Amino acid sequence: NAGVTQTPKFQVLKTGQSMTLQCAQDMNHEYMSWYRQDPGMGLRLIHYSVGAGITDQGEVPNGYNVSRSTTEDFPLRLLSAAPSQTSVYFCASSQSPQETQYFGPGTRLLVL
Amino acid sequence: AQSVTQLDSHVSVSEGTPVLLRCNYSSSYSPSLFWYVQHPNKGLQLLLKYTSAATLVKGINGFEAEFKKSETSFHLTKPSAHMSDAAEYFCVVWGMIKAAGNKLTFGGGTRVLVKP
Repeated sequence: NAGVTQTPKFQVLKTGQSMTLQCAQDMNHEYMSWYRQDPGMGLRLIHYSVGAGITDQGEVPNGYNVSRSTTEDFPLRLLSAAPSQTSVYFCASSQSPQETQYFGPGTRLLVL
Repeated sequence: AQSVTQLDSHVSVSEGTPVLLRCNYSSSYSPSLFWYVQHPNKGLQLLLKYTSAATLVKGINGFEAEFKKSETSFHLTKPSAHMSDAAEYFCVVWGMIKAAGNKLTFGGGTRVLVKP
């Protein structure tokens, strides 16, 4: 039982490049979400999903896309990276938003 | 609207002394409230959660929190700090209001420093 896994752990991008941050969970959780963490700002919700085929925007969705084709996977796509997207990204999953969230180890992204 | 305010961005305590981390929330309905801890370069881990049962909630590692509806607060305490408690702590709220949808709201975090 791996819990929530994220890849890569660290990534450096140039402005304008695109990439996908991977997130997978093996707990059969319906609810999955992506957050970014910036100093002094806590975690801010980017996108979330309440089940396969269903996604919605969070607080800071601009510049990011998501899809949820399976229960297990919830990738986050950066369409055209900008320095403002330099951050640590966390994926989380749970049975529902009012239940315990299980967080992945994070992906540290640097955009030059 | 739904919001969470952690009143201290940094707290410094001596080992063996009490820890108090303050959290106030606003939510139109009875919320679910959580405290999460994040150790350096790690993901977040649940400390405890309140879901409308007992107002005093006990969590892992000796932490507890008290839900006070009249004060809209959910402060986290520990009687005696340990060096391993040095971390960042997040107060989180989920409330059944349409505007918030199925979203959690995080406080800005409190970084705890424990001095020997």
